[in-house]
Amino acid sequence: SQTIHQWPATLVQPVGSPLSLECTVEGTSNPNLYWYRQAAGRGLQLLFYSVGIGQISSEVPQNLSASRPQDRQFILSSKKLLLSDSGFYLCAWSVPGPGPQYFGPGTRLLVL
Amino acid sequence: AQSVAQPEDQVNVAEGNPLTVKCTYSVSGNPYLFWYVQYPNRGLQFLLKYITGDNLVKGSYGFEAEFNKSQTSFHLKKPSALVSDSALYFCAVRHGGSTLGRLYFGRGTQLTVWP
Repeated sequence: SQTIHQWPATLVQPVGSPLSLECTVEGTSNPNLYWYRQAAGRGLQLLFYSVGIGQISSEVPQNLSASRPQDRQFILSSKKLLLSDSGFYLCAWSVPGPGPQYFGPGTRLLVL
Repeated sequence: AQSVAQPEDQVNVAEGNPLTVKCTYSVSGNPYLFWYVQYPNRGLQFLLKYITGDNLVKGSYGFEAEFNKSQTSFHLKKPSALVSDSALYFCAVRHGGSTLGRLYFGRGTQLTVWP
């Protein structure tokens, strides 16, 4: 069966510090991968998606970047965090076709 | 353009009563529709989907949803609510012709079931 992992679970970082969040998927090959942010107001914002290694599409220009160095690994990064980067970050995967996306457990990021 | 509306921010029901969480959508072409549930500080869990076929689809934990093409709706239902059903519910839609699987989410409905 497929599983998705995210780490860390919780992170507190000062403004201006770098960020690296990691997401890995097990049990499937060549998945589509997604990064979302969920702010306190609960709406989900799609940040990045990837259909293959090295292929990244950005939905919203901002202080973040994403990379996919391996088939089942998706990394969210920032060189300098802003207060507004605080939120709940969710990674998801899907296979090409009509199926759903499956979400990881999320990373709670607090920027102080 | 694709979009989803969940007109109620909050739904409150008594345990044992039926519940409905509303969702309407706008999409070009045939829609694929999904419901997710989120418990506090957790990721989204997939509940059910409509792709094609019967308008009434059944999912996890006794939930079901009815696809209504003429009203462009996909309301989530459960005949008898449990306190443990209290959570945040998201409706999502994607364009059926897309291979990417990009989902468009509603803003969520907070369901509270009181004992």
